[in-house]
Amino acid sequence: DTGVSQDPRHKITKRGQNVTFRCDPISEHNRLYWYRQTLGQGPEFLTYFQNEAQLEKSRLLSDRFSAERPKGSFSTLEIQRTEQGDSAMYLCASSSGQGIAKNIQYFGAGTRLSVL
Amino acid sequence: AQSVTQLDSHVSVSEGTPVLLRCNYSSSYSPSLFWYVQHPNKGLQLLLKYTSAATLVKGINGFEAEFKKSETSFHLTKPSAHMSDAAEYFCGRASGTYKYIFGTGTRLKVLA
Repeated sequence: DTGVSQDPRHKITKRGQNVTFRCDPISEHNRLYWYRQTLGQGPEFLTYFQNEAQLEKSRLLSDRFSAERPKGSFSTLEIQRTEQGDSAMYLCASSSGQGIAKNIQYFGAGTRLSVL
Repeated sequence: AQSVTQLDSHVSVSEGTPVLLRCNYSSSYSPSLFWYVQHPNKGLQLLLKYTSAATLVKGINGFEAEFKKSETSFHLTKPSAHMSDAAEYFCGRASGTYKYIFGTGTRLKVLA
């Protein structure tokens, strides 16, 4: 299966620690997205990359959050000085900018973060 | 602001009976709407997507949805529920060319 892959699947950390998540998109997809999903809510958009360029960041993404996609392939999402409110499922998605599946986002299984 | 509203947080049906999951969207001249399903510990999977080609959209696993502009609705239906349909379902819309906005989800329970 060459779908969107996220690592780790689960992360437990103590408040104040830094964490980093990785997303590997579908190989031919040039667009990559990060979403956050809290209990009882739908996914909320965080940020979007086209190739290596980060084109939009949500206001949900505070200064403690940073995302990169250095070579236009995999992406990382780092949270510095984690807070209990950061506990959530972090979802990555990717899409192609062309073809019949243009703009359809394919999601990974997510990384579940628990901040103690 | 553009949004979608899922009218039921939980729906329970008996196996073999019809499924109806309701979704309303805020008015827009040309919405791009979709339904995703999320099984436990799995990523979101696209069920179907409306792109104005036809008001009745057929998706995977026997699901379909009808776009009704007059009611600003995009309800998801299936004639006969199966145990494997138990999951969380998200209605959503595209905002601009890439950002997705999701509803709060409907958890479907299928009773034997």
